[in-house]
Amino acid sequence: DVQMTQSPSYLAASPGESVSISCKASKSINTYLAWYQEKPGKTNKLLIYSGSTLQSGTPSRFSGSGSGTDFTLTIRSLEPEDFAVYYCQQHNEYPLTFGSGTKLEIK
Amino acid sequence: QIQLVQSGPELKKPGESVKISCKASGYTFTDYAMHWVKQAPGKGLKWMGWINTYTGKPTYADDFKGRFVFSLEASASTANLQISNLKNEDTATYFCARMYTTDYYYVGWFAYWGQGTLVTVSS
Repeated sequence: DVQMTQSPSYLAASPGESVSISCKASKSINTYLAWYQEKPGKTNKLLIYSGSTLQSGTPSRFSGSGSGTDFTLTIRSLEPEDFAVYYCQQHNEYPLTFGSGTKLEIK
Repeated sequence: QIQLVQSGPELKKPGESVKISCKASGYTFTDYAMHWVKQAPGKGLKWMGWINTYTGKPTYADDFKGRFVFSLEASASTANLQISNLKNEDTATYFCARMYTTDYYYVGWFAYWGQGTLVTVSS
């Protein structure tokens, strides 16, 4: 199975700042990585797939980059609604595997 | 719009069974596979497997073979997850999720999620 290592586990930032979240795969997954946002009381939201393709409706302040084993989710100019938990998921092979999550909190 | 609505929270004792439902709306149920994902308290997401909603054939991830059963009530656009002989480590929120594609075998991402069903196993 492909192990996904996500870091950091916690991140504190202020609105307006930019942050980056890392996701590393235990072997190459090409560009086949998705990012999700988890918020209380809402269903999980797909943000990005195939490494860098924004899902329809995802604000342009979100971007994804990377290939092979190293990937990054960047959020520019944080908005209050961006404080949430973020997960990566590889979609290169079964079984699908997820990162352990990054909780983005308001500083 | 597309929605996956899951059944409510469950409190069970070790050794009992539980059945969770996921009712789909806004699309043709049998056109898309339904996947299941587990999230233990304070932990990340773990993919459990999927069910072919056209044939009813389930596919289980290795850690979910044996006590876990995926089933359908296709006439009701509903997918079910049954867990038997519950253990403390089954305490988790269980999600149903659907990909964007009608290709059942596509290795993809989840465009739609249910709201999750919390199953608590405690004596």
